[in-house]
Amino acid sequence: EDKVVQSPLSLVVHEGDTVTLNCSYEVTNFRSLLWYKQEKKAPTFLFMLTSSGIEKKSGRLSSILDKKELFSILNITATQTGDSAVYLCAVERQGGSEKLVFGKGTKLTVNP
Amino acid sequence: GAVVSQHPSWVICKSGTSVKIECRSLDFQATTMFWYRQFPKQSLMLMATSNEGSKATYEQGVEKDKFLINHASLTLSTLTVTSAHPEDSSFYICSAYLLHEQFFGPGTRLTVL
Repeated sequence: EDKVVQSPLSLVVHEGDTVTLNCSYEVTNFRSLLWYKQEKKAPTFLFMLTSSGIEKKSGRLSSILDKKELFSILNITATQTGDSAVYLCAVERQGGSEKLVFGKGTKLTVNP
Repeated sequence: GAVVSQHPSWVICKSGTSVKIECRSLDFQATTMFWYRQFPKQSLMLMATSNEGSKATYEQGVEKDKFLINHASLTLSTLTVTSAHPEDSSFYICSAYLLHEQFFGPGTRLTVL
């Protein structure tokens, strides 16, 4: 059975801290791993990772994938209160099914 | 960018009634749309894959007769929760698939009294 596990489940930090969110997976025919940010409504796309070792970066956020060890990390530097959200990791399989398997998410709270 | 809308954004209904939720891709055509359900403090759980012009594919444990999906056009998929019960209260989110990416709608909060 395909599985995506995120850790920690919740995290509370102060503004300016750096955080690392983890996502490990066991999926048949891996195609890509995606990170989403979910505030009160639907998830918004952050990154799609398909290749090992290549860091993707967007502002204070960055992410990298390790296909050998089957995990990914999402880093947020100099956190701000606006970063408070649930961060979801999802994995897409090959084979045309296009389905995403989501982890339970990490709830990040950034206090001023 | 690709925009997906859902209607209504929230709905309250009585137990036993049916509720229809619409998912529209506003600026692109999507042959495939997905329906998810999210309970409080839980992740998104895929309910079904909606394919334009054909029957939806349901995930294990999802009752197809209770959650009716119609994908009649390339821009619209509907989810009807039939004979809703309080345990169906949840956040329902759709997504539309385009170029290896899923674009999510804003979600519909369903409360069944």
